[in-house]
Amino acid sequence: GAGVSQSPSNKVTEKGKDVELRCDPISGHTALYWYRQSLGQGLEFLIYFQGNSAPDKSGLPSDRFSAERTGGSVSTLTIQRTQQEDSAVYLCASSGEETGTTNTGELFFGEGSRLTVL
Amino acid sequence: AQSVTQPDIHITVSEGASLELRCNYSYGATPYLFWYVQSPGQGLQLLLKYFSGDTLVQGIKGFEAEFKRSQSSFNLRKPSVHWSDAAEYFCAVGYTDKLIFGTGTRLQVFP
Repeated sequence: GAGVSQSPSNKVTEKGKDVELRCDPISGHTALYWYRQSLGQGLEFLIYFQGNSAPDKSGLPSDRFSAERTGGSVSTLTIQRTQQEDSAVYLCASSGEETGTTNTGELFFGEGSRLTVL
Repeated sequence: AQSVTQPDIHITVSEGASLELRCNYSYGATPYLFWYVQSPGQGLQLLLKYFSGDTLVQGIKGFEAEFKRSQSSFNLRKPSVHWSDAAEYFCAVGYTDKLIFGTGTRLQVFP
């Protein structure tokens, strides 16, 4: 597709269950980001993949959170033993350029996966 | 630590009125600054960005922002707001290949 695709768009799960959220970035984009959007919290950085480099995991809130990116394309964010505080919208973004202090670029966001933990 | 502050959680304006959304950042070096908009049910979209040079940058949808180093600010402005501008607006600073976002300002527009 033309944009960043995320699935599922909505996920309701019970506390303690594991969930997987998928992100399909724009074809050819080398950088992929996961953010979490909670009410009143803005966008919280979780993890960043750039090409074949080791991912920047500095934003993952606990060891229950992990992510992988297979073949430099699709990414999966996994949350184990979900807790109610994990309820949020999880946003994926991709970019074809370096962002931040070296070069800059535009992040293209998906519409997000809304996770509700009961 | 690098951070972005958007002091206004919620702003309400009348259609046709001017708008200014505030953004302050904390960053040790020359910042790369962004404004994104999130319309209901849609993903975030880039409005404009500042890298260097002219401190007044123009964006899409008639928005502009001015970088003021002395005030560590990057406020977003629009001279005449349209009802379709109702959305949530996020300011961000680029830091080591990722963006640090503020908590957002929700804009409501009355006819």
